[in-house]
Amino acid sequence: EVQLVQSGGEVKKPGESLKISCKGSGYSFSTNWIAWVRQMPGRGLEWMGVIYPGNSDTTYSPSFQGQVTISADKSISAAYLQWSSLKASDSAIYYCARLNFIGGPFDSWGQGTLVSVSS
Amino acid sequence: QSALAQPASVSGSPGQSITISCTGTSNDVGSYNLVSWYQQHPDIAPKLMIYEGTKRPSGVSNRFSGSKSGNTASLTIFGLQTEDEADYYCSSYTGSSTFPYVFGTGTKVTVL
Repeated sequence: EVQLVQSGGEVKKPGESLKISCKGSGYSFSTNWIAWVRQMPGRGLEWMGVIYPGNSDTTYSPSFQGQVTISADKSISAAYLQWSSLKASDSAIYYCARLNFIGGPFDSWGQGTLVSVSS
Repeated sequence: QSALAQPASVSGSPGQSITISCTGTSNDVGSYNLVSWYQQHPDIAPKLMIYEGTKRPSGVSNRFSGSKSGNTASLTIFGLQTEDEADYYCSSYTGSSTFPYVFGTGTKVTVL
């Protein structure tokens, strides 16, 4: 069974750094893409970027380029989303999702990680 | 890249059929048979319901059907059931190497 398990919710202050994780199991982690998707409170889904864990090839949405860093460690089947300096507007639920190829569907999703940023 | 346009809400009675539209452009929905639909219940991660425009993943009810005409994709739910009440999002491949995906604005389905 394909599973993506994300790290737990975080409460942070503006300016702090953060790295959340997404661990895959039940499939070949290295040969499937992982996408990150943001959902702000009461809002829709926004595609942030994707990474191919096999070689760490990464593409960012222009809206998120420079704002976050996506990385992966294929040796432990984990993908990461990190911020160097959080803002209140980063408060959202962040989902990771698997896709077989660019253009393909997000066929399995993590449970989501709630990030709250407040002073 | 603008979000795909969906109606904010659609409602129907149990047993009825409803259709949710997803309107893009000739650069995304109109150019590729790579539209997906996702169902999201409150506080739950999205679930893939339809991919490549018309295909259902294993385990998804055949009451869910996808189609496309021009720049508009559609999701039809036949025989509406109370558990279908959720938010639904479409997504399309755009062909862009820098922005390959765009989501729809989302539709709240209410079962009356």
